[in-house]
Amino acid sequence: GNSVTQMEGPVTLSEEAFLTINCTYTATGYPSLFWYVQYPGEGLQLLLKATKADDKGSNKGFEATYRKETTSFHLEKGSVQVSDSAVYFCALSDSQAGTALIFGKGTTLSVSS
Amino acid sequence: DTGVSQDPRHKITKRGQNVTFRCDPISEHNRLYWYRQTLGQGPEFLTYFQNEAQLEKSRLLSDRFSAERPKGSFSTLEIQRTEQGDSAMYLCASSLAQQVPGDTQYFGPGTRLTVL
Repeated sequence: GNSVTQMEGPVTLSEEAFLTINCTYTATGYPSLFWYVQYPGEGLQLLLKATKADDKGSNKGFEATYRKETTSFHLEKGSVQVSDSAVYFCALSDSQAGTALIFGKGTTLSVSS
Repeated sequence: DTGVSQDPRHKITKRGQNVTFRCDPISEHNRLYWYRQTLGQGPEFLTYFQNEAQLEKSRLLSDRFSAERPKGSFSTLEIQRTEQGDSAMYLCASSLAQQVPGDTQYFGPGTRLTVL
């Protein structure tokens, strides 16, 4: 079945460091791919998405490119801030269940000043 | 646009009791989803509605779980005869169905259930 695998955390970085969070997926067909973020004490928010191969999603300095050949959707940011500390979830749309999302386990990012 | 709201935010119950959670989606959204999230895991899809029709319910965890969306607006999720393993965060999300794939789901704050 469809699934998402994320790198395990926690990821601990200093402010202004480069961030990569790896995400790979297994899916039939051509799912859409998403990154959601959960800040402490808040609900899940969409960070960015891509709906077809080679699309790049971007938002708030974060980027991810839909790579069909490597079945990956890695999240990157050139310079992280303390305010980026959160849990990041990679997800894909499951065409076998309408548009339901299948999530990875989440990666906790902690940025210190 | 007030966002997705859920009520209650926290529920503590004793094993064997029934509980019901409510979700109010973003007003113009016609799709509504329920997920469960346990500690250290990503959300797990349970069921979804398009308008008042429940189009996918095979992922509900057991026959103790049921959901309704009677008028195509708010939805309720009921768990009968709760068990300690039901303790989790229950999330609701809504979206507007689009012709292109990957409609964006907007999540509510969740209802945290604790079963004693």
